[in-house]
Amino acid sequence: DAGVTQSPTHLIKTRGQQVTLRCSPKSGHDTVSWYQQALGQGPQFIFQYYEEEERQRGNFPDRFSGHQFPNYSSELNVNALLLGDSALYLCASSLFNSGANVLTFGAGSRLTVL
Amino acid sequence: TQLLEQSPQFLSIQEGENLTVYCNSSSVFSSLQWYRQEPGEGPVLLVTVVTGGEVKKLKRLTFQFGDARKDSSLHITAAQPGDTGLYLCAGVPHNNNDMRFGAGTRLTVKP
Repeated sequence: DAGVTQSPTHLIKTRGQQVTLRCSPKSGHDTVSWYQQALGQGPQFIFQYYEEEERQRGNFPDRFSGHQFPNYSSELNVNALLLGDSALYLCASSLFNSGANVLTFGAGSRLTVL
Repeated sequence: TQLLEQSPQFLSIQEGENLTVYCNSSSVFSSLQWYRQEPGEGPVLLVTVVTGGEVKKLKRLTFQFGDARKDSSLHITAAQPGDTGLYLCAGVPHNNNDMRFGAGTRLTVKP
């Protein structure tokens, strides 16, 4: 049973570039949430996708955008990268109507912005 | 400031010792969860507590949810090197619907 898979695992970009990160949810899950985890910090909520729509959003600028596809997989896009965007980006999947708020996380994509 | 404050931030102990880490907030939570995260991995759910005053045990780990549903603690008995990791508490605030995380307690258990 495949859990949450994320790609790429590591990537290096320069300031001003754009990046796309990808996530495949756990089998049976329909909701994808994205988190940013800076070094030494806890994950910060970016946004959540369900039924191909952004349902909730944390305190992140419009440079952060996303998409969910009919097969429930998701992408996170970040435009005009800043040095401060360097972090581990975590994708978590869940079942929207389970009521249990149980998140299954992937191993993350580590982004370094130079 | 973090919605969920975790303490201590760092903890280094010898194998066999006991420890308690804390997760506090001024907000009420519908539920609180504890996760453990190891280097290079995503957080893994340990437990969910939903009822004020609830105590849950998971082998050597004991989790407690405060009566007012604003705080939680994690107690580890006879810590082992395999317990090393970042312990994160997370919860859904009563007036919200997205999971918020604390900054974590980084535990190191030395053999």
